[in-house]
Amino acid sequence: GAVVSQHPSWVICKSGTSVKIECRSLDFQATTMFWYRQFPKQSLMLMATSNEGSKATYEQGVEKDKFLINHASLTLSTLTVTSAHPEDSSFYICSARGGAGGPRYTGELFFGEGSRLTVL
Amino acid sequence: DQQVKQNSPSLSVQEGRISILNCDYTNSMFDYFLWYKKYPAEGPTFLISISSIKDKNEDGRFTVFLNKSAKHLSLHIVPSQPGDSAVYFCAARNSGNTPLVFGKGTRLSVIA
Repeated sequence: GAVVSQHPSWVICKSGTSVKIECRSLDFQATTMFWYRQFPKQSLMLMATSNEGSKATYEQGVEKDKFLINHASLTLSTLTVTSAHPEDSSFYICSARGGAGGPRYTGELFFGEGSRLTVL
Repeated sequence: DQQVKQNSPSLSVQEGRISILNCDYTNSMFDYFLWYKKYPAEGPTFLISISSIKDKNEDGRFTVFLNKSAKHLSLHIVPSQPGDSAVYFCAARNSGNTPLVFGKGTRLSVIA
């Protein structure tokens, strides 16, 4: 079964509105979660690293004021796309790795199901 | 600069034959390599991995080979099945809790 869950799977919104995507680790605590973005026929591009209890680390070129990340607990990270525009339409995927020494720490990342955002 | 490269965007193989997907990397600090399988509109699912201290790892029909001197790895699927049709991503990372760097993916089509 899925160990990382994302919600919503699909979202359509009007330009200028904000959209929140949730990422939950279901059976383990994730001190770090990663947010990726995928454009059609492109690779998964890392947007930011979300650390529980501290500020996210953003990759170069990713606007931190536009893509707000909150990692308030060890099982939940949220990505909020603020004032969305059509060019923000994409497939957003979160991932998590269990903490060292705990369950689910096997080195690989577990990915959520992904959230497809369409901004009209 | 792309640190992980999958130069073949697509590959077609007949059912029962071997599928070989290739991946090259440029960052010599990478020490852990993974293959993910992805269906449309779904998140990637982990397939198999290999540490830089090994040159081969096998799991059922899937085998990953690592050639560190050439900075090259490959995924072999044998025998290939129609259900293997998907996009396969090669990924790599440094040691520690670092994010993965992905290649652009190779779309595998297994023809019955």
